[in-house]
Formats: sequence, C-alpha cells, structure tokens
Amino acid sequence: DAKTTQPPSMDCAEGRAANLPCNHSTISGNEYVYWYRQIHSQGPQYIIHGLKNNETNEMASLIITEDRKSSTLILPHATLRDTAVYYCIVPPNTGNQFYFGTGTSLTVIP
Amino acid sequence: SAVISQKPSRDICQRGTSLTIQCQVDSQVTMMFWYRQQPGQSLTLIATANQGSEATYESGFVIDKFPISRPNLTFSTLTVSNMSPEDSSIYLCSGAGQGGNEQYFGPGTRLTVT
Repeated sequence: DAKTTQPPSMDCAEGRAANLPCNHSTISGNEYVYWYRQIHSQGPQYIIHGLKNNETNEMASLIITEDRKSSTLILPHATLRDTAVYYCIVPPNTGNQFYFGTGTSLTVIP
Repeated sequence: SAVISQKPSRDICQRGTSLTIQCQVDSQVTMMFWYRQQPGQSLTLIATANQGSEATYESGFVIDKFPISRPNLTFSTLTVSNMSPEDSSIYLCSGAGQGGNEQYFGPGTRLTVT
C-alpha cells in the first residue's frame, strides 16, 4: 500500500487559498490519489481524486507532481465551513480499500 | 454519488451485549466497507463486506467479534459482539459505486459501552 504523509495541522485565513500537501513517494503507476475531509461529527466527504493529471471540480483543485510522489489539494477561497480534517489516501489497485492516515487538521481563521 | 444511511445513529450498551448496525445505500454499489473511529483518532478499516460471501477482515479484526452480512447490493450489517468499553467508537460504513472507485460514507453510529 502507498503510504501518505501529511502535516498534522494548518491554519488559513478566510478568503485565502488553502494549500494542503501530501507525500506519497511509494505510489505505483496506476494507483489514484483521493482526498476526503471530515467535518466534526460527520462521515468523511469525498472531495476529488486523480491519477496523474491535475483535476478541478466545484470544491477544489488537485495538483499532482510529474513524478506522482506528492500532491497538493487547493481550496481556492477558504471559508469557515472548510474547517475540517483533510485526508489524502492512496488505495491499493487490488481492492480499493482505504487506509486512512492521521490527516491534516485545517483551521480557517476569520 | 450514493447516499448512505445508518441505524442506529447512536446507542449506549452494557458490557457483554451485542449491537447490530445497519447500513443502507440508496443505489447499488459494487463494494461496501466498515470502519471504526475511536475517540480523537482517524478511521480504521475493519472489513470489506462482500455480497453473497464472507467478509474480508483486516488484520486485528475477526469474524467472531465483528460478524458482517451483506445480503444484497444496497444493504449491510455489522454486529459488535460481546462488547467491552474498549469498543466505544464511531462505526461507519461506506459504499463504492459502479463505474467509480470513490467511496461515500454514512454519518456513523456512535457506540458507548458502559
């Protein structure tokens, strides 16, 4: 399984872009990178995923480095409701099991 | 996407008893999973619920303690057996839909064992 490493916590000013990094240096060629977030007392919420190209949806952008060993989730205009724990996950291509790391606790500051 | 509901949302149980948690998906999903989240910690995968066959358990989890059923493509149950206070956790289920590998999670069942 590709393991992921994320900073334990980050702060971001409201209205500014939040850039959340993730290292996954042991990722294999056909494994995807998924990002989820968990707001307190709720189930994890899917944000975005990608293989090698950068991806964007209504929630966020995902930038994956060319060597695929790291990625960055970008929330372009953070709001207070974006305060949550963000998880970067690389499931094995054999079964799609999710092994959650400790994630990054993002606090958006007014 | 899939919408997932769980019952009960929370329960307080006595040591030595068992609790069955239900997970219902609003559409057919290829795969379903069960997780445990202990207080202040991340999610830990318990097992993959396989439709029509025995669940596949992760290291540290056994069928006698956490029996799982999945009779069809939209429903699964997890039983926490012979509970002890160490089983106090949030239990979450998820489903991965056909055509996509992203998982969608239920709201969780908060279990307290006294």
